[in-house]
Amino acid sequence: DTGVSQNPRHKITKRGQNVTFRCDPISEHNRLYWYRQTLGQGPEFLTYFQNEAQLEKSRLLSDRFSAERPKGSFSTLEIQRTEQGDSAMYLCASSLLGGLHEQYFGPGTRLTVT
Amino acid sequence: GENVEQHPSTLSVQEGDSAVIKCTYSDSASNYFPWYKQELGKGPQLIIDIRSNVGEKKDQRIAVTLNKTAKHFSLHITETQPEDSAVYFCAARGIDMRFGAGTRLTVKP
Repeated sequence: DTGVSQNPRHKITKRGQNVTFRCDPISEHNRLYWYRQTLGQGPEFLTYFQNEAQLEKSRLLSDRFSAERPKGSFSTLEIQRTEQGDSAMYLCASSLLGGLHEQYFGPGTRLTVT
Repeated sequence: GENVEQHPSTLSVQEGDSAVIKCTYSDSASNYFPWYKQELGKGPQLIIDIRSNVGEKKDQRIAVTLNKTAKHFSLHITETQPEDSAVYFCAARGIDMRFGAGTRLTVKP
């Protein structure tokens, strides 16, 4: 399977706990994006990487959120001190640098904070 | 920043009929307009896209039109089939990618 993969697919956690999600992009893709999607809404941009550099962060990304892409391949998104409002689908997408912005999404990680 | 409005929010058609979903955007600098199909429990799947130097693009039963002057773009699905039932999202890329709120399309057999 050469698509974008995300793990875990589902995560249930108690409020106040930390969670970490992983995204493995399509292997030759330089750019990696994180989005959040709540029920009945389209994906909302959180942040993106070009290789290992985090180039843009949305105002939606509070201080409790941190993302890394240490070797320019897979990426992790960590949420510290989770709140019930963090419950959502977290989507990862990747694209080629120099490509015309076609982004390919993974299946997402559904987070439920109880 | 970019603001993308999508209509309708729900659309029900009979199998074989056409479906049209419309979006408007606010940022005149937006230059790339993809459409995604999302099925239950899955991530969005890119189905067609159009760039700002093109007015129309077609791929089998799916077509997209773009009116840059009016900042409108639309998705047209002809000869709809039950497997076309899903949520469809438009998006516009300016500084970043902004998505519409989605249209839930139901194709009745």
